[in-house]
Amino acid sequence: DSGVTQTPKHLITATGQRVTLRCSPRSGDLSVYWYQQSLDQGLQFLIQYYNGEERAKGNILERFSAQQFPDLHSELNLSSLELGDSALYFCASSFRGDLTNEQYFGPGTRLTVT
Amino acid sequence: AQKVTQAQTEISVVEKEDVTLDCVYETRDTTYYLFWYKQPPSGELVFLIRRNSFDEQNEISGRYSWNFQKSTSSFNFTITASQVVDSAVYFCALSDIYGGATNKLIFGTGTLLAVQP
Repeated sequence: DSGVTQTPKHLITATGQRVTLRCSPRSGDLSVYWYQQSLDQGLQFLIQYYNGEERAKGNILERFSAQQFPDLHSELNLSSLELGDSALYFCASSFRGDLTNEQYFGPGTRLTVT
Repeated sequence: AQKVTQAQTEISVVEKEDVTLDCVYETRDTTYYLFWYKQPPSGELVFLIRRNSFDEQNEISGRYSWNFQKSTSSFNFTITASQVVDSAVYFCALSDIYGGATNKLIFGTGTLLAVQP
């Protein structure tokens, strides 16, 4: 158990809908990362937050947004969902947000868009 | 540009065989970290190792060993005496400071290892 929690574990929704994925980092970790794992794109970095502020952006679609709250949990919002958004979404956390820190991954949220 | 290549898509071995998973990386930075993660059929990502670019010593942990060679930009992973429980997808990843003070991981496409009893 990495100490990173993600809810829900599974989510099934229809095209055009909006969903919110939630992540709680390990106790004491200030940085949160979101990754998407899909058959087409593999495992790719979406976005990183550090202590409430956006630190880095990857290949995140404009239909997707994220935030990190004062209690350090993070939410990834996916809107106008398309079939291609079906994927496993991972959250990871690290103490700081730089190279010196290891990232610990949560169990993932499997999103299925029908 | 940052890139991680795992040329082996799938490997199948029989239990007790040794197997090496290849990883080749590209980066402009002199400071970077390399990782291996295991993804069993249950789907979670399990951290195996992190190695920084200044430490080229090979590492052994039980049946696992890693060979880091900067001259060939490779970070290969060997499992000795493989077991059925080693069956999983294995990802190599790179983290560097190119593009700012971030710690994002660039993953390879993964190698599916199937260990047959």
